[in-house]
Amino acid sequence: AQSVTQPDIHITVSEGASLELRCNYSYGATPYLFWYVQSPGQGLQLLLKYFSGDTLVQGIKGFEAEFKRSQSSFNLRKPSVHWSDAAEYFCAVAPDTGGGNKLTFGTGTQLKVEL
Amino acid sequence: DSGVTQTPKHLITATGQRVTLRCSPRSGDLSVYWYQQSLDQGLQFLIQYYNGEERAKGNILERFSAQQFPDLHSELNLSSLELGDSALYFCASSVGQGTNTGELFFGEGSRLTVL
Repeated sequence: AQSVTQPDIHITVSEGASLELRCNYSYGATPYLFWYVQSPGQGLQLLLKYFSGDTLVQGIKGFEAEFKRSQSSFNLRKPSVHWSDAAEYFCAVAPDTGGGNKLTFGTGTQLKVEL
Repeated sequence: DSGVTQTPKHLITATGQRVTLRCSPRSGDLSVYWYQQSLDQGLQFLIQYYNGEERAKGNILERFSAQQFPDLHSELNLSSLELGDSALYFCASSVGQGTNTGELFFGEGSRLTVL
């Protein structure tokens, strides 16, 4: 079964600093990979997704992620963090088959931004 | 605003009771998904419906049931409630039935508190 590990439960960065959130997945074939963000009191919003092709994907709000098959990783990055980026970030994986959808989420990384 | 509407936003009830959570998907979306978010279990996929038919099942308890109606709205029924059922229940929708058709759009969730 597929699984996702987000090793960092909490991360604190200063505004303007760079950010990298780690995500490792376990899946036999090439998975579909996602990063979602959840702001307080809100639902989840898709930041970016990787299905195939270029391993560096760009998302909304200035985020990007790189798929590294050799490391089974899909880390999320942002070169300069804004205070409004404070939220919880979830990495998710789904099988590359079209038979239904069972997104498996990681446990999330809570990002705090210091001004 | 994702376009997915969930009601009620908050619900407080007692153990042993039954509640119904309602979800209206984005206009045009045929798939509805239910997720449970709790502190100890994280985000767990419960069930998916596509155009009125059950499409995929996850970690949904037998005390829970769901359906999708002809107008595509969905209801999640939780019965014989236990303290451990206290959680945030998210509904999401997508156009197609598999993740390779696009992203999931999440509602803001229904927070259930069982006392």
